[in-house]
Amino acid sequence: EDQVTQSPEALRLQEGESSSLNCSYTVSGLRGLFWYRQDPGKGPEFLFTLYSAGEEKEKERLKATLTKKESFLHITAPKPEDSATYLCAVQAFRAQKLVFGQGTRLTINP
Amino acid sequence: DGGITQSPKYLFRKEGQNVTLSCEQNLNHDAMYWYRQDPGQGLRLIYYSQIVNDFQKGDIAEGYSVSREKKESFPLTVTSAQKNPTAFYLCASSIMEGSYEQYFGPGTRLTVT
Repeated sequence: EDQVTQSPEALRLQEGESSSLNCSYTVSGLRGLFWYRQDPGKGPEFLFTLYSAGEEKEKERLKATLTKKESFLHITAPKPEDSATYLCAVQAFRAQKLVFGQGTRLTINP
Repeated sequence: DGGITQSPKYLFRKEGQNVTLSCEQNLNHDAMYWYRQDPGQGLRLIYYSQIVNDFQKGDIAEGYSVSREKKESFPLTVTSAQKNPTAFYLCASSIMEGSYEQYFGPGTRLTVT
């Protein structure tokens, strides 16, 4: 069974304090790994798709990386507006659906 | 602007009543999905559809029904058979080939008392 585990469950940082969020996964044939940002009471907003180990994607202060077992979302010099829940999901080649982790709730204090 | 709309944003119902949640997209996507999100849990797939007039059950389809009469629309009915219907419901869509990311609507929060 495909599974996604995200850690930590919650993370508090000071503005400017860089850190990383982890997404560990098991899937039989990875089609893609996806990162989303979700603000309270809103739908997830797509950030990145990673397809193969070694791939990296960047957007503003965020960089996503992928290995064969996990993905990291690195956040550099975060700002309070980066506060949100970050969701990781995987899709297997044989499946149409995404399997989501439980998310990491990130809070950036000014 | 292309996107996914869900209505209403908040919905309140009495136990025992069926309720239908609307989802419309103008992204020309073939596939559409319904997820349920509960506090502390990841998104769970209820139903999905890859083509008009066809749909498949997801992981938690019991107590729900869907239809796909038009490419743009994928309404979800929460029936009285659903034991714990209070939740945040999210609709998504995607293309079928190439990049596979799903794009989400703003969600409907359903409260059943």
